[in-house]
Amino acid sequence: GESVGLHLPTLSVQEGDNSIINCAYSNSASDYFIWYKQESGKGPQFIIDIRSNMDKRQGQRVTVLLNKTVKHLSLQIAATQPGDSAVYFCAERNYGQNFVFGPGTRLSVLP
Amino acid sequence: ETGVTQSPTHLIKTRGQQVTLRCSSQSGHNTVSWYQQALGQGPQFIFQYYREEENGRGNFPPRFSGLQFPNYSSELNVNALELDDSALYLCASKGDRGSGANVLTFGAGSRLTVL
Repeated sequence: GESVGLHLPTLSVQEGDNSIINCAYSNSASDYFIWYKQESGKGPQFIIDIRSNMDKRQGQRVTVLLNKTVKHLSLQIAATQPGDSAVYFCAERNYGQNFVFGPGTRLSVLP
Repeated sequence: ETGVTQSPTHLIKTRGQQVTLRCSSQSGHNTVSWYQQALGQGPQFIFQYYREEENGRGNFPPRFSGLQFPNYSSELNVNALELDDSALYLCASKGDRGSGANVLTFGAGSRLTVL
């Protein structure tokens, strides 16, 4: 069945360093992927998305990379800031169906 | 433009009771989804409504049911509550045009504790 997983449940980085959060997905038919950020006491917040016909997409300080060959997704955050501390989820969608979320990675930014 | 709002924010129930959670979709969004998020886990899809009809359901028993109203607001009902139903229940909405057709906009959730 569909599943989305993350390689690391927690990640600690120094303020100002770059962060890389990884995600493995199992459904090769998934056509669309989203990264969400969830802060304590809040719902998930959209960060960036990518379609399956792309391999890279950039936003403000964030980049998502998609490797369909090995079914791997990553989120890169440049110059990580204290406000980036949160749990990050990747989610995959299978051709218009519901989104399947991974278990999440907790990012902690150290001063 | 208002976001997705959910009520109540927190509630406590006992086993066997019933609960109704409410959600107001973001303005212009006609699709609403409900997710269950257990502590330390990612959201799990419960079901989705489009124009008042359920058009997708996850692996949840029939005691989880929902409604969507003409104004696109929504309810999640859970009967015969079990301890494992304790979770954050998230409502998310999306539109059907442009980028709004893809991205789910989430509310802050309703934290349910079953004792």
